[in-house]
Amino acid sequence: QAVVTQEPSLTVSPGGTVTLTCGSSTGTVTGGHWPYWFQQQPGQAPRTLIYDTSNKHSWTPARFSGSLLGGKAALTLSGAQPEDEAEYYCLLSYRGAWVFGGGTKLTVL
Amino acid sequence: QVQLVQSGAEVKKPGASVMVSCKASGYTFTGYYIHWVRQAPGQGLEWMGWIKLSSGGTNYAQKFQGRVTMTRDTSISTAYMELSRLNSDDTAVYYCVRDSGWFWGQGTLVTVSS
Repeated sequence: QAVVTQEPSLTVSPGGTVTLTCGSSTGTVTGGHWPYWFQQQPGQAPRTLIYDTSNKHSWTPARFSGSLLGGKAALTLSGAQPEDEAEYYCLLSYRGAWVFGGGTKLTVL
Repeated sequence: QVQLVQSGAEVKKPGASVMVSCKASGYTFTGYYIHWVRQAPGQGLEWMGWIKLSSGGTNYAQKFQGRVTMTRDTSISTAYMELSRLNSDDTAVYYCVRDSGWFWGQGTLVTVSS
């Protein structure tokens, strides 16, 4: 089974920009992996921020964007807010099987 | 709007089985897949498998094959996940998620304890 890797933790200053990445043990992440990004606040269910690499839901703040960057999927937060402090998970598809990354704990400080 | 409402918390003994339900509304039930994802206390998210709601076809993560069964009842727009031979490592919140945008249920806590 493939392993999906994320930074365990990152810190961003309020108003700053940070990029979270999502890599695959099988090689380059492409659009065919249908990358997803989820945000989870403590004690809450995850919510989907980005689907299919770069698509946003109606509830996704405009400061979040998804892309492919350097062979990985990437989630960029531009203009971080205190409420963005949370755990972020990526998800990749492998021909019908799906694998989550281990999550990135994002601190806004 | 898409809404997934899951059944309530369960407490089970080791060796027992649990079934979690997921009632969908706000969209055409059979047009999509339902995934099941779990999260053990303090841990990350783990994909368990999916069911194609139109046909009932399934794809289970290798880890759960032989122990998980996903079904659906199209007449009441409800999907089910049954996990058998429970042990303490199965204590987790279980989520159903509709594909194509990944819309999440509220989660069901399953506690396995003697």
